[in-house]
Amino acid sequence: AQSVTQLDSQVPVFEEAPVELRCNYSSSVSVYLFWYVQYPNQGLQLLLKYLSGSTLVKGINGFEAEFNKSQTSFHLRKPSVHISDTAEYFCAVTLIYNQGGKLIFGQGTELSVKP
Amino acid sequence: EPEVTQTPSHQVTQMGQEVILRCVPISNHLYFYWYRQILGQKVEFLVSFYNNEISEKSEIFDDQFSVERPDGSNFTLKIRSTKLEDSAMYFCASTGLAGYEQYFGPGTRLTVT
Repeated sequence: AQSVTQLDSQVPVFEEAPVELRCNYSSSVSVYLFWYVQYPNQGLQLLLKYLSGSTLVKGINGFEAEFNKSQTSFHLRKPSVHISDTAEYFCAVTLIYNQGGKLIFGQGTELSVKP
Repeated sequence: EPEVTQTPSHQVTQMGQEVILRCVPISNHLYFYWYRQILGQKVEFLVSFYNNEISEKSEIFDDQFSVERPDGSNFTLKIRSTKLEDSAMYFCASTGLAGYEQYFGPGTRLTVT
């Protein structure tokens, strides 16, 4: 079975500071990885994905993530956050070669950006 | 840009009542999903649907739940007899032929009293 662990439930940070949201996964087979963002009272929006190729992937709103297969991690980073980045961030995986398969989500990390 | 839509945005119902949550997936997508998020908890998979049949369901998706694609555009989740613990945000999602990148709707907040 697969599982996703987001190591921090809440991350407070000041505006313009860098941030890293941590995600580790467990799977006996290869997975694709995703980060979704949920702004207050809204749905889930895809932030970025890793399917193949370069292990450093860039997403929307200046976020990037690095896939590390040996450490089974997919940490999300932004060099300088804005107040508008305040949201809940979810890491998720799905099995490679399981076309149309479900997403398995982590518990979420609440990013709170303070002025 | 095409998007997944869901109605209603908020549904309040009494315990034991039937509810139907509606979704319109992105038009050329082939795989459809329902997920739920109980307040303060993670997003959980309920069911996936492809080629007019359920392709996978979780242990949460018991006999009280059913899904249907009644026409070429709608995708519905029915809860036959709601319980208090069914109170949650329900998200519909869809994905295209590649079958990996899922697009989510804004959700329906279901409150069972």
